[in-house]
Amino acid sequence: GENVEQHPSTLSVQEGDSAVIKCTYSDSASNYFPWYKQELGKGPQLIIDIRSNVGEKKDQRIAVTLNKTAKHFSLHITETQPEDSAVYFCAANQAGTALIFGKGTTLSVSS
Amino acid sequence: ETGVTQTPRHLVMGMTNKKSLKCEQHLGHNAMYWYKQSAKKPLELMFVYSLEERVENNSVPSRFSPECPNSSHLFLHLHTLQPEDSALYLCASSQDPGALITGELFFGEGSRLTVL
Repeated sequence: GENVEQHPSTLSVQEGDSAVIKCTYSDSASNYFPWYKQELGKGPQLIIDIRSNVGEKKDQRIAVTLNKTAKHFSLHITETQPEDSAVYFCAANQAGTALIFGKGTTLSVSS
Repeated sequence: ETGVTQTPRHLVMGMTNKKSLKCEQHLGHNAMYWYKQSAKKPLELMFVYSLEERVENNSVPSRFSPECPNSSHLFLHLHTLQPEDSALYLCASSQDPGALITGELFFGEGSRLTVL
């Protein structure tokens, strides 16, 4: 089955800096890769996703890149703001299988 | 009214108690899920219901018993739990009727369970 590794587990940046979170997956058949953000006391919320037919996707200050050959994908946040502080989860799956999550990255943005 | 509502938000129970967690979704979705979130661990899928039929049960101990009376409501009945079952239990829903299909999950805020 699928296994998703996520790094780093914690990340501290200054406001305005960029943040990068990386994930690797094991099942080459996986073709859907979402990223979820979980703020304190809230449930996870989808912020961006990418499918295997695309190498990069961008939405304002966040972007995700996918390297299917190497089986890794990354979340990039530019111009970080204090409200970006949260726990971020990557995940992977293919149709018909459960979404497998990474362990999460706690991002702290200090002003 | 938020999309996915979970009650109670916090629950403390003894190992011999019987309690239930409730989830209600107001999004018109066809699939509902229970996830367990423990510190330092990935989100663990427990149960999936699609069109009120259970389609996934990830080797969850029988002390956890799900119930899905209709497409808007999901329960998790708890009995004779262990302290290691203490965690945040998250309910989620999705639009895909087949479940386990790639698409967005909408999570509730979770029920924080403490087993003494």
